[in-house]
This record gives sequence, structure tokens and C-alpha cells, in this order.
Amino acid sequence: NAGVTQTPKFRVLKTGQSMTLLCAQDMNHEYMYWYRQDPGMGLRLIHYSVGEGTTAKGEVPDGYNVSRLKKQNFLLGLESAAPSQTSVYFCASSYPGEQYFGPGTRLTVT
Amino acid sequence: KQEVTQIPAALSVPEGENLVLNCSFTDSAIYNLQWFRQDPGKGLTSLLLIQSSQREQTSGRLNASLDKSSGRSTLYIAASQPGDSATYLCAGGSNYKLTFGKGTLLTVNP
Repeated sequence: NAGVTQTPKFRVLKTGQSMTLLCAQDMNHEYMYWYRQDPGMGLRLIHYSVGEGTTAKGEVPDGYNVSRLKKQNFLLGLESAAPSQTSVYFCASSYPGEQYFGPGTRLTVT
Repeated sequence: KQEVTQIPAALSVPEGENLVLNCSFTDSAIYNLQWFRQDPGKGLTSLLLIQSSQREQTSGRLNASLDKSSGRSTLYIAASQPGDSATYLCAGGSNYKLTFGKGTLLTVNP
């Protein structure tokens, strides 16, 4: 039982490049979330999903897109990366109720 | 809009001391209140979840309480140990959407 896993762990992008972050959970959770964590700002919700095939905007959705084609996976895409998107990205899942977090992806955009 | 504040931002105590971390929130219509621990460079580990009509939860040396009427939650750590050193985050909200505080950085000195 791996819980919540994230791929990759680290990534460096140049401005304008695109990438996809993958989140997978093996707990059969309905809800999944993407957060970003920045110094002095705390954790902020980017997008979330309440079930397979559904997505919704969180607090800071601009510049990101998401997809939940399979219940166990939640993808976060950056179509044209900007330096302001340099951050640590966390995925989480819940049944609903208690949220469980992945180890994070550290993204640097130069 | 829910806002969550944690005081103090940092706390340093000697080993063995009992301590209390505070969390306050602006919207009393809170369904879940969750406490997390975050070690440097790591993801968030769930410590305790207080749901709906519950007022407190306990796990080992940890006890969390929730008072919706005053908009406050506290995390009590008994007989602190150096291994308790970490950032402690509280988060409150609905069954699928949490707002996070910025955390309390706890250092327990041997």
C-alpha cells in the first residue's frame, strides 16, 4: 500500500515549456487535490476533483489544467510555465474526510 | 472566505515540556479540522482529524480540540521529545475543501 505517490520528485523547466505532474493513489479515494506551497504563503489549493471525470477550480487555478480520467490518477498540467510557478506541488486524496498527502514535486522555472 | 491563523509562528521548548499550539479560523461553519505535521523537505503527515459534531480527538501524546463557537482549535503535545520537532499545520473547511494556516515551527531541545 503506497498511499499517494507523485512523479517526478524534482523538475527544472524553462519559461514557456510545458509539463505534466502525475499523482496516483491506491486507497480507492473519491476526492483528489493539487496544492502548491510557497514560503510565507502556506498551502493553496489549485484544483480538485470529487470523482472520476470531474474537476473544479480551487484558490489559485490560473495557468494550470487538470484531468481525472481514472479514479486513481490526477494529472496537473502546466501549458506554458512561468517563473511564478516555481513552487513545491503536493497532491492529496481523501475518501472524503481525512486528507492524505504525497511527498511533493519541487518545480523550478527559470 | 475562510482564513486560518496559527500562533505562534515559531516555538522553542526544552524536552519533556507539555505544550499547546493554537489555530483560529474566521468561518465557524467548519466541517473538518485537521492537524498535520511537516518535516523539512517532506510532505504532510496527518495527525488528527476532528469531524462534524466531534469536539476532540486523541492519538498517543497528542490531543486536538475544536471549539466552533469561538473559532479555535488547539493541539496539545504532552511530554515533548526532540523527534517532535517539525512544522505543525492546521487546516479547516468542508468535507472536500480545506484552508491551511501557515504553520507553527516547533523545536524541542534535548
